[in-house]
Amino acid sequence: GNSVTQMEGPVTLSEEAFLTINCTYTATGYPSLFWYVQYPGEGLQLLLKATKADDKGSNKGFEATYRKETTSFHLEKGSVQVSDSAVYFCALMKTSYDKVIFGPGTSLSVIP
Amino acid sequence: KAGVTQTPRYLIKTRGQQVTLSCSPISGHRSVSWYQQTPGQGLQFLFEYFSETQRNKGNFPGRFSGRQFSNSRSEMNVSTLELGDSALYLCASSLDRRETQYFGPGTRLLVL
Repeated sequence: GNSVTQMEGPVTLSEEAFLTINCTYTATGYPSLFWYVQYPGEGLQLLLKATKADDKGSNKGFEATYRKETTSFHLEKGSVQVSDSAVYFCALMKTSYDKVIFGPGTSLSVIP
Repeated sequence: KAGVTQTPRYLIKTRGQQVTLSCSPISGHRSVSWYQQTPGQGLQFLFEYFSETQRNKGNFPGRFSGRQFSNSRSEMNVSTLELGDSALYLCASSLDRRETQYFGPGTRLLVL
């Protein structure tokens, strides 16, 4: 079945460090891919998305490229801030009639 | 525009009781989805409603049910509560399935 795998956390980085959170998926065809972020005590917010191969989603300095050949959608940011501390979820939606499938989430802590 | 609202925000119940959670979507959004979030299982899809009809359902027992009203507001009900039902219940709304989902802050349910 369809699934999403994320790197295990927690991840701890110093401010201004480079961030990569790996995400790979299993699904046939061309699912839509998403990154959501959950700040402490809040619901999820859509961070970025990509709907076809080679698309690059970007928002607030975060980027992710839809790689069909490696079935990956890794999240990157060049310089993290303390305010980026949150849990990040990779997700996919196979078709418009399917549910959204979330990965287990990766907790990120950025220390000053 | 007001975001997705969920009530109540916190709830404590005992085993065997039932509970009803409410979700008010963003104005104009017709699709409402419900998710259960736990540390062990992560985010799991419960069901999705569109124009008062359930369009998709996750793998949860029949104790979990929901409905949607003509104004798109949605409720979910859990009967005969079990300890394992303790979780954060998130509601998300969107214009339609393929559109971006906007999440509410969640209802945290504790079953004693």
